[in-house]
Amino acid sequence: ETGVTQTPRHLVMGMTNKKSLKCEQHLGHNAMYWYKQSAKKPLELMFVYSLEERVENNSVPSRFSPECPNSSHLFLHLHTLQPEDSALYLCASSQEVGNTDTQYFGPGTRLTVL
Amino acid sequence: AQSVTQLDSQVPVFEEAPVELRCNYSSSVSVYLFWYVQYPNQGLQLLLKYLSGSTLVKGINGFEAEFNKSQTSFHLRKPSVHISDTAEYFCAVSGYRGSTLGRLYFGRGTQLTVWP
Repeated sequence: ETGVTQTPRHLVMGMTNKKSLKCEQHLGHNAMYWYKQSAKKPLELMFVYSLEERVENNSVPSRFSPECPNSSHLFLHLHTLQPEDSALYLCASSQEVGNTDTQYFGPGTRLTVL
Repeated sequence: AQSVTQLDSQVPVFEEAPVELRCNYSSSVSVYLFWYVQYPNQGLQLLLKYLSGSTLVKGINGFEAEFNKSQTSFHLRKPSVHISDTAEYFCAVSGYRGSTLGRLYFGRGTQLTVWP
């Protein structure tokens, strides 16, 4: 595998479920990101990690819990979500944070909350 | 703070016609500018970016964009589109320094549809 991969590609869950989204980058990058893409809205940056340390958390509800066990893997743990959380969740990586390095995006996980 | 306005949510064009996708930004400081493309069921892919130097930037797939500081614009152009260019296009800005450097602020996107 090359680039940034995300699993699962599609996820349907009830409001009481607990699920996790997984992202893996094969680019040797040190920075990883979670974005939320809702219809007709700009991409929203949710979390930023640099070398497994969270460096940005943009007022995201606590029902979203990120985890970065190493610089190649990033998880987003989900629990007690709301229907308005339905969206495409995109993972990205770049060489470093805080510069003009290109961000490389995965294909996303399409999440539907019933 | 930075913000991006993409003036057209949808742009339909016929194959081999020229196209321009408009992007304006607002910022109190200098910025870096980016265009990303998202094909159906895929993530975003960088088309081109302006960091410094020549205001005309050439990207992949025959696209180019021109940075106009006085009009705070970064419009994307292609002289002749193909059906395979059908996708959503996102303009983004990043601040020049400090906490905004490397942090991308995206527009809402423009859906380009190319008809045969």
